[in-house]
Amino acid sequence: GAGVSQSPSNKVTEKGKDVELRCDPISGHTALYWYRQSLGQGLEFLIYFQGNSAPDKSGLPSDRFSAERTGGSVSTLTIQRTQQEDSAVYLCASLVGGTQYFGPGTRLTVL
Amino acid sequence: DQQVKQNSPSLSVQEGRISILNCDYTNSMFDYFLWYKKYPAEGPTFLISISSIKDKNEDGRFTVFLNKSAKHLSLHIVPSQPGDSAVYFCAATGGANNLFFGTGTRLTVIP
Repeated sequence: GAGVSQSPSNKVTEKGKDVELRCDPISGHTALYWYRQSLGQGLEFLIYFQGNSAPDKSGLPSDRFSAERTGGSVSTLTIQRTQQEDSAVYLCASLVGGTQYFGPGTRLTVL
Repeated sequence: DQQVKQNSPSLSVQEGRISILNCDYTNSMFDYFLWYKKYPAEGPTFLISISSIKDKNEDGRFTVFLNKSAKHLSLHIVPSQPGDSAVYFCAATGGANNLFFGTGTRLTVIP
């Protein structure tokens, strides 16, 4: 596709439920990032995928968070047993030429 | 620990005047800096970047200045236009996998 796409655009869930967020990066981009932006905060790095290398998970805030990237393309960010503090906009970005191109984000609200 | 700081959460400027957005960083290993612009309900879009080997980079109405000794960079927009109203994020990297983002400055250009 022409850009990075993410789904769903909005997700409302109850505390304790699991959620999956999807990212479709720009075709051919081998690097993929997940960030989140909480209210009043800057973008917080979560995880980075580069080709077939082991992902950099250093930004994941807890073991409830995990992500995978299948076939070097689509990525799924999973949050288990969601908490209210997980409410944020989750952004995916793919990289080319040193510049990240962001998707529109998924707004997650945990009630 | 916020390694990239944007101390002004908001800025209002009259149309046609100059907008100056500021950003400070603490990590001397950062060697590449970027500015992103974000409209509501959209992901950030890349605006302009600068390498640490330069102190100025210009692209149309947008100019980024880097002062390495002060660990400070700024984005100048001149002349400002109402369509420039958005949240502007400063970001920095030191060659590692992730970008460190500031908390953003909301620019409002008044017609």
